Amino acid sequence: AQSVTQLDSHVSVSEGTPVLLRCNYSSSYSPSLFWYVQHPNKGLQLLLKYTSAATLVKGINGFEAEFKKSETSFHLTKPSAHMSDAAEYFCGISGNQFYFGTGTSLTVIP
Amino acid sequence: GAVVSQHPSRVICKSGTSVKIECRSLDFQATTMFWYRQFPKQSLMLMATSNEGSKATYEQGVEKDKFLINHASLTLSTLTVTSAHPEDSSFYICSARDPGGGSSYEQYFGPGTRLTVT
Repeated sequence: AQSVTQLDSHVSVSEGTPVLLRCNYSSSYSPSLFWYVQHPNKGLQLLLKYTSAATLVKGINGFEAEFKKSETSFHLTKPSAHMSDAAEYFCGISGNQFYFGTGTSLTVIP
Repeated sequence: GAVVSQHPSRVICKSGTSVKIECRSLDFQATTMFWYRQFPKQSLMLMATSNEGSKATYEQGVEKDKFLINHASLTLSTLTVTSAHPEDSSFYICSARDPGGGSSYEQYFGPGTRLTVT
């Protein structure tokens, strides 16, 4: 069975400071992992994906994530938060089905 | 990249009526599509897996007679909410897997349909 766990339901950062959104995964085989962003009343937008290539994955809007097998983690980071980053973020893992984490709400304080 | 569309993006209907939501893969053929439901401030929950030419597979707790899924072609799946009630109000998102894509495990998500039942 596969699953992901997002460790924080809410994260609040000041504009210009780093962002860290945490995601741990569970999988019996090499996983495909994803991060999506959802702005209010909008659909999902793919930020980045890991599919067994480079462990450091760069995505859109300055986000990146590092796949760490030893820690079963796929945390999302950004060096400097922007007001437009305020949104809901979902970690996901894909096999025969796609499983979402419970989401992390990011607030950016001006 | 692969694109999935949904129609309508928003729909308001009266209690007791039925609503059909379409999910289309625009530039690839999708033998498998998925339907999700998202309650406010919650994650997406898989409702059912739609297979072209066969019956959908519903997740536990999802009423198959209420949420009718039809996957009549390789580019179109429909979700019909029958006899809708206010508690069916939600954000419905579909996704499709591109079997010919680089990653066989990647799903492409539609923009979602906001259903409001009054």
